[in-house]
Amino acid sequence: DTGVSQDPRHKITKRGQNVTFRCDPISEHNRLYWYRQTLGQGPEFLTYFQNEAQLEKSRLLSDRFSAERPKGSFSTLEIQRTEQGDSAMYLCASSPQTGTGYSPLHFGNGTRLTVT
Amino acid sequence: DQQVKQNSPSLSVQEGRISILNCDYTNSMFDYFLWYKKYPAEGPTFLISISSIKDKNEDGRFTVFLNKSAKHLSLHIVPSQPGDSAVYFCAAARGNYGQNFVFGPGTRLSVLP
Repeated sequence: DTGVSQDPRHKITKRGQNVTFRCDPISEHNRLYWYRQTLGQGPEFLTYFQNEAQLEKSRLLSDRFSAERPKGSFSTLEIQRTEQGDSAMYLCASSPQTGTGYSPLHFGNGTRLTVT
Repeated sequence: DQQVKQNSPSLSVQEGRISILNCDYTNSMFDYFLWYKKYPAEGPTFLISISSIKDKNEDGRFTVFLNKSAKHLSLHIVPSQPGDSAVYFCAAARGNYGQNFVFGPGTRLSVLP
C-alpha cells in the first residue's frame, strides 16, 4: 500500500493561467474524491468518481473546473482561467467499495495552489 | 450553512489526561461519522468511525460517542500524548444522497508535556 499520491505538491501560477493536478489513488480503490481546503476550514467536497464514472459534483465546481478519471485509475483536476479565490489546498482521496456502502477516505498530502 | 460544526477552534490538554473533542451536526440524514487527524503539510489521516446504528466505538486510546437525539458526537483520547497534537476534523456522510463526506472546520489539539 503506497498510499494516495498527488502531484505536484505545490503550484504557483498567475491569474488567468490554466493548471492541472494529478492524483494516483491506492491501487485497489475504485472510488476517488477531490476536496478543497482553505485556511481554517475543513475539506470541502468537489467531486466523486466510481471507477471512471463521475457520479457527483458539488456546486462549488464551477465551469472552470473539470475532473477526469479516464481509465478508472489516476485522476486529473484542471482549473481554467485561475482566479485568486482558487488558492487553496486540493486534496485527493480514495476508498474501496464495500458491501456496507461506506468506508473511510484515504487522503493524499494535497497540492497547494497559489494564484498570484 | 454549516452542516457539521466544531465549535472549539482549539483545545489544550496536559499529557496523560483525557482529551474530549466535540462535533455537532444539523442534518438528520447523516448515518456515518468519522474523525480524522491532520498534521501540518500532510493530508488528513483516518482515526475512527461510527455508524448511526451504534452509540460508541472504541479503538485503543480513541473512543467515539454518538448521541443521535442531540445530533452530537465526541472523540475521547485517553491518555493524551504529545504526538496527538494535531488538527482533528469531524466528518459525516449521508447514505441516500451519495458518497460525499461533509467535514467540520476542525479543532486544534495541543497536548502539553
